[in-house]
Amino acid sequence: GAGVSQSPRYKVAKRGQDVALRCDPISGHVSLFWYQQALGQGPEFLTYFQNEAQLDKSGLPSDRFFAERPEGSVSTLKIQRTQQEDSAVYLCASSLMGWLDGANVLTFGAGSRLTVL
Amino acid sequence: KNEVEQSPQNLTAQEGEFITINCSYSVGISALHWLQQHPGGGIVSLFMLSSGKKKHGRLIATINIQEKHSSLHITASHPRDSAVYICAVGDQGGSEKLVFGKGMKLTVNP
Repeated sequence: GAGVSQSPRYKVAKRGQDVALRCDPISGHVSLFWYQQALGQGPEFLTYFQNEAQLDKSGLPSDRFFAERPEGSVSTLKIQRTQQEDSAVYLCASSLMGWLDGANVLTFGAGSRLTVL
Repeated sequence: KNEVEQSPQNLTAQEGEFITINCSYSVGISALHWLQQHPGGGIVSLFMLSSGKKKHGRLIATINIQEKHSSLHITASHPRDSAVYICAVGDQGGSEKLVFGKGMKLTVNP
């Protein structure tokens, strides 16, 4: 596609529910990032994929968070047993090259806003 | 971890004014990104720079590596420039973990 597509745009979950957020990066983009943006804050790094390999997941806040990109294109961020503090906008970004091949321009999706009641 | 500070936090300007947004960071970097975020919208990459100056239309970004400081200038500002402007840096080791500032909310009034 022409841009990075994320779905759903808005998700309301009851505390304890599992949620899955989808990211469709630009076709052919090697690098894919997930970020979490709390209200009034800048995005915080969650995890990074190069193709299907999850090279860095150090930003995932707990073992309730899990991300995958099994075929090196679409990625899913799953949050199990959601808590109120998980409420945030989850941003996906992709980049053409592998990140360490050189600093790259990122293209961001519009984000998925998660509200946990 | 790099600390990224942006100033001012909020800015209101009149259409046509020249605007400067500042970003400072604490540790040497590989590159600095300027991003634009509209309300309810996604983030758009404006510039990525590691030295010197870049210009695109009415936007100019500069970086001073020695002083660990970057500025984003908007000439002849327009109400459609109203957005949050975010500075993000990548560590010198080439880490994929960009560190983001909190952003600066710009409102340009007609």
